[in-house]
Amino acid sequence: AQKITQTQPGMFVQEKEAVTLDCTYDTSDPSYGLFWYKQPSSGEMIFLIYQGSYDQQNATEGRYSLNFQKARKSANLVISASQLGDSAMYFCAMREGRAYILTGGGNKLTFGTGTQLKVEL
Amino acid sequence: DTGVSQDPRHKITKRGQNVTFRCDPISEHNRLYWYRQTLGQGPEFLTYFQNEAQLEKSRLLSDRFSAERPKGSFSTLEIQRTEQGDSAMYLCASSLGDGTDTQYFGPGTRLTVL
Repeated sequence: AQKITQTQPGMFVQEKEAVTLDCTYDTSDPSYGLFWYKQPSSGEMIFLIYQGSYDQQNATEGRYSLNFQKARKSANLVISASQLGDSAMYFCAMREGRAYILTGGGNKLTFGTGTQLKVEL
Repeated sequence: DTGVSQDPRHKITKRGQNVTFRCDPISEHNRLYWYRQTLGQGPEFLTYFQNEAQLEKSRLLSDRFSAERPKGSFSTLEIQRTEQGDSAMYLCASSLGDGTDTQYFGPGTRLTVL
């Protein structure tokens, strides 16, 4: 089974509108972290936002927020007030286990296949 | 700029040649990771270092691949006897090993094997 599923290969949004990018995950580990990264055409992966499995509040970072629904195993990224510069590939990723565990998967990230977002005027 | 740096940014080589990539992590980060990304896919984990110790290797890392981090600072990834299937973007990331252990990525090295 896929550990991270992103079902939207491509999304379009008009400038200044909000957009939600979907991500569902699969793990049996009670401790995990969820990440969203942005990858422009230049190729660099840019960290956007983090949500820990024990966090009670949804994470927010500026125009980015994470809609974390633990029971449904979903971690959707919401971008408010879209800008042309938001056009990029967006990846959801998961780290299983606690970050201070040095082996056994407590550090590597598993990525989804990404969603290509295009912001239009 | 104090982010993760990678060198070279692009490498074109002929099948059968050896190539070596370098990654310089963020200076205070003790964890360093290598990932490979092919077209249309998300990055896939290759290997991970805690300081100079290589603690985990993916099954993707065949015996033609070797990675080192000799002094716990920069790392090198070598591919011997390159194959066309090795063509990909090779991404390096580093992290602090703190509560979130967020990984910060470099710009990547794009390898093309002819």
